[in-house]
Amino acid sequence: GAVVSQHPSWVICKSGTSVKIECRSLDFQATTMFWYRQFPKQSLMLMATSNEGSKATYEQGVEKDKFLINHASLTLSTLTVTSAHPEDSSFYICSASDRRVYEQYFGPGTRLTVT
Amino acid sequence: RKEVEQDPGPFNVPEGATVAFNCTYSNSASQSFFWYRQDCRKEPKLLMSVYSSGNEDGRFTAQLNRASQYISLLIRDSKLSDSATYLCVVPGSSGDKLTFGTGTRLAVRP
Repeated sequence: GAVVSQHPSWVICKSGTSVKIECRSLDFQATTMFWYRQFPKQSLMLMATSNEGSKATYEQGVEKDKFLINHASLTLSTLTVTSAHPEDSSFYICSASDRRVYEQYFGPGTRLTVT
Repeated sequence: RKEVEQDPGPFNVPEGATVAFNCTYSNSASQSFFWYRQDCRKEPKLLMSVYSSGNEDGRFTAQLNRASQYISLLIRDSKLSDSATYLCVVPGSSGDKLTFGTGTRLAVRP
């Protein structure tokens, strides 16, 4: 159990365009979803935490107007990278939790390349 | 002091070797700790949880030293399939998120 999917698994887009990434919990209801970003040879950095039906909480240094997060249901959260630039190229990973923060189930990640 | 600190490695060991990684953390109030494994270009997967002094699961042993604020992961009889990056994870000081270490890379050679 506890399966989290992400779509797309990889995407290439042009600079200035927007990209939407979906994160779904397939077999449980995720009260909280987390969005991480990982640059090559670096660790996962938490970008934001979202709870179903409320606004996301962004980490310091993450632009909320650039990284739009919507957690409209208990099984779906979306991250939209607006006006993407090459420096936004990264591995974006979501995770979901239905109970404690410590029990997070990770999606397979989305590799974004902005040209 | 960083919230979570790990030696990045890489650790290059032969098959069958025993290897240990250490991780130090800054929040003395942390009660639970985790080791995740991450393969190249994949998501992290939970390997072990540590809630008290330690935990053992087959070839893997995690130990906690609260006085010195470090956690260790010991892998015995290394397999080629153990090659990965091992992430030390500690709950944040506010308890509402996880903080990941930069990871320690392990390469097991034949």
